[in-house]
Amino acid sequence: SQQGEEDPQALSIQEGENATMNCSYKTSINNLQWYRQNSGRGLVHLILIRSNEREKHSGRLRVTLDTSKKSSSLLITASRAADTASYFCATVAPRGATNKLIFGTGTLLAVQP
Amino acid sequence: DVKVTQSSRYLVKRTGEKVFLECVQDMDHENMFWYRQDPGLGLRLIYFSYDVKMKEKGDIPEGYSVSREKKERFSLILESASTNQTSMYLCASITGGVQTQYFGPGTRLLVL
Repeated sequence: SQQGEEDPQALSIQEGENATMNCSYKTSINNLQWYRQNSGRGLVHLILIRSNEREKHSGRLRVTLDTSKKSSSLLITASRAADTASYFCATVAPRGATNKLIFGTGTLLAVQP
Repeated sequence: DVKVTQSSRYLVKRTGEKVFLECVQDMDHENMFWYRQDPGLGLRLIYFSYDVKMKEKGDIPEGYSVSREKKERFSLILESASTNQTSMYLCASITGGVQTQYFGPGTRLLVL
């Protein structure tokens, strides 16, 4: 079962611009995570935001979470060509004893130099 | 740093063959996962294991089985490969209480 849906499916911006990706989910969560995947490679964890948090920062990344709307956004500021990748949100259910993540379909970000 | 390795980056098999995909992690993680990734469908969980010899079905277990004989190794088995199992297979591991998953580089499997 798919929990997260990312929007947009694809995004193309110029280097230096900000990139915003959105994620919507369906059920209650313990936390929401964002991952990045370079073409043909595994996923790398970027940031985790808990259900009782509204905003979190890590370097050029800013994540917001609105549990009333069941949505999250990932903002990458001052984008670089190296940020070109697919970005996925993933959720963990409350009391998720098995740490099972449910992934969305991803946003493909292309940063043009 | 946590390291998760997968036995092959690319694999080509014929329909009906038995296929083994191996995943090894070096950080003594209890939980391990197998996903497949297809365009437009994101990552879908096939099986996971939260301890040696323990396994649970994910969302799409049909046509797959798994083996976890040692804590560091989690194997995905395609008993009789079919063309609709052509996909990217990703392994991940996580330690209990921490909910960030560490992924291997993936195995791209083509079944002819």
